[in-house]
Amino acid sequence: QSALTQPPSASGSPGQSVTISCTGTSYDVGGYNFVSWYQQHPGKAPRLMFYEVFKRPSGVPDRFSGSRSGNTASLTVSGLQAEDEADYYCSSYVGNNNLVFGGGTKLTVL
Amino acid sequence: EVQLVESGGGLVQPGGSLRLSCAASGFTFSDYAMSWVRQAPGKGLEWVSSISGRGDYTYHADSMRGRFTISRDNSKNTLYLQMNSLRAEDTAVYYCAKGWATTSFNNWGQGTLVTVSS
Repeated sequence: QSALTQPPSASGSPGQSVTISCTGTSYDVGGYNFVSWYQQHPGKAPRLMFYEVFKRPSGVPDRFSGSRSGNTASLTVSGLQAEDEADYYCSSYVGNNNLVFGGGTKLTVL
Repeated sequence: EVQLVESGGGLVQPGGSLRLSCAASGFTFSDYAMSWVRQAPGKGLEWVSSISGRGDYTYHADSMRGRFTISRDNSKNTLYLQMNSLRAEDTAVYYCAKGWATTSFNNWGQGTLVTVSS
């Protein structure tokens, strides 16, 4: 199973909005609602930001939103803040209780 | 508060074996599927294995099937990963996570580093 495709980097200034894409196929992102997003700061464990495409766990700021169109899922950060600078990973169910991650996107707040 | 604490990492020679443990607390361990996810130095996340709450179903990524075995002891609230025939490319931080593919990983441990080198 191939990794999902994410841009290696993204950036924005404080207060701006930025969107990170996660492209798969109809056998993963487009075929199941089990798409998740994780945030990882350097040297730290990942943190769940979204599950089932757009559902936000408690504690995740509503500046963050998740969506999907066809085989591409997206994570959007509105009103960028310095603490949003981190690596972001998407993941998708691919059947038979298997899962694949995206390659990750490094978000820089300028 | 959910806590997941991994242990057992270290330096091992190619072809060697290692068993990782993950001690869980703050939730009813047997009610939840658990997983291992790894991250090679400077690289992205990679799903390794998952196990059902009762331990009766296990799943492994293709590249690790046959070499890695996930298991759990619900009486000890502990998750395990037995790793055999280790290769240099298995060098990574191994994270224990609560959940599996259809529930997402909503809690993670701090990770334990496995280094495979002669």
